[in-house]
Amino acid sequence: EDQVTQSPEALRLQEGESSSLNCSYTVSGLRGLFWYRQDPGKGPEFLFTLYSAGEEKEKERLKATLTKKESFLHITAPKPEDSATYLCAVRGDSSYKLIFGSGTRLLVRP
Amino acid sequence: GAGVSQTPSNKVTEKGKYVELRCDPISGHTALYWYRQSLGQGPEFLIYFQGTGAADDSGLPNDRFFAVRPEGSVSTLKIQRTERGDSAVYLCASSLGQGPGNTIYFGEGSWLTVV
Repeated sequence: EDQVTQSPEALRLQEGESSSLNCSYTVSGLRGLFWYRQDPGKGPEFLFTLYSAGEEKEKERLKATLTKKESFLHITAPKPEDSATYLCAVRGDSSYKLIFGSGTRLLVRP
Repeated sequence: GAGVSQTPSNKVTEKGKYVELRCDPISGHTALYWYRQSLGQGPEFLIYFQGTGAADDSGLPNDRFFAVRPEGSVSTLKIQRTERGDSAVYLCASSLGQGPGNTIYFGEGSWLTVV
């Protein structure tokens, strides 16, 4: 069964304090690993798609990396506006649906 | 439209009532998805449409839930005999096509509260 586990559940950082969020997954035939950002009361906002181990993508202070078992979302010198829940999801070769983790709630304090 | 549009944004209903939630996908997107998100959890898949047909409805929890997309654009999620456990955010999403290279974009969600 396809499964996604995210850690930590919550993370508090000081502004400028870099850190990483983890997404561990098991999936039959990875067709894509997705990172989304979700603000309170809003829908998930697409950040990145990674397709194969070794792939990396960057956007502003965020960098996503992928191995055969996990993905990391690295946040460099975060700002308070980076505070949100970050969701990881995978898509396997057995269907079109995304399987989501429970997310990491990030709070960046000024 | 510019993004996935969902109405209503909030709905409070009494236990046992019937509810309809509407989704207007991004123009030109043929794939449409419904997900449900409970507090503190990630979205859970409900149903996927490719065009007018439901290609995968394996996530619908029971026969009180039904969804349609009669013209291949707007979709309606229908919940009969609502229960308090149905309270959640119902998210609609769409993508240009069904292949893995197609980004899935989400709407803001319909917050359903059953009292």
